[in-house]
Amino acid sequence: GNSVTQMEGPVTLSEEAFLTINCTYTATGYPSLFWYVQYPGEGLQLLLKATKADDKGSNKGFEATYRKETTSFHLEKGSVQVSDSAVYFCALRRQQGGSEKLVFGKGMKLTVNP
Amino acid sequence: GAVVSQHPSWVICKSGTSVKIECRSLDFQATTMFWYRQFPKQSLMLMATSNEGSKATYEQGVEKDKFLINHASLTLSTLTVTSAHPEDSSFYICSARQQGATDTQYFGPGTRLTVL
Repeated sequence: GNSVTQMEGPVTLSEEAFLTINCTYTATGYPSLFWYVQYPGEGLQLLLKATKADDKGSNKGFEATYRKETTSFHLEKGSVQVSDSAVYFCALRRQQGGSEKLVFGKGMKLTVNP
Repeated sequence: GAVVSQHPSWVICKSGTSVKIECRSLDFQATTMFWYRQFPKQSLMLMATSNEGSKATYEQGVEKDKFLINHASLTLSTLTVTSAHPEDSSFYICSARQQGATDTQYFGPGTRLTVL
């Protein structure tokens, strides 16, 4: 079946630290891959996406590369800020019954301290 | 960007009562809305997909008579938890997909349901 496994937190970092959040997936075919971010009190927002192998998604200093050979889509940021404190969800989009649906990982809470 | 609201943001009810949660797309028309459920430290689990003007499609294991979904207009979908029990306590999240845009879902902030 289709599933997403991401590293579980919570994680606490100091400002300007390097961030990596691991995400691997299991899927039939070639799904699109996503990172969503949920800031406190808000709904999930699309952070970045990649639709095919070797694509790199990037936004707000975050990057993730679609690696088919390792079935991974790890999220990275070189220098985190306090404002990056949020919960991060890795997800894939699967096709089922004529419609497309998102499958999420468990989410990882990141806290960045000044 | 597109905004999706949910109401209420939290609700506490007695066991056996029914609770209705609203999901609205504020600045766009949503032909498709999705309802998710999230348990603590778990991922979002898709409950059902609703298309405006038609019956919702439920995921396997989700009781359609327990979780009634209505998508009466292009900006409003409702989820009614009927005869709620403590095990229904959870965080319910909706998302909406804009008409003509299959790529992006916009998520509401969620509703925390606690059943006593």
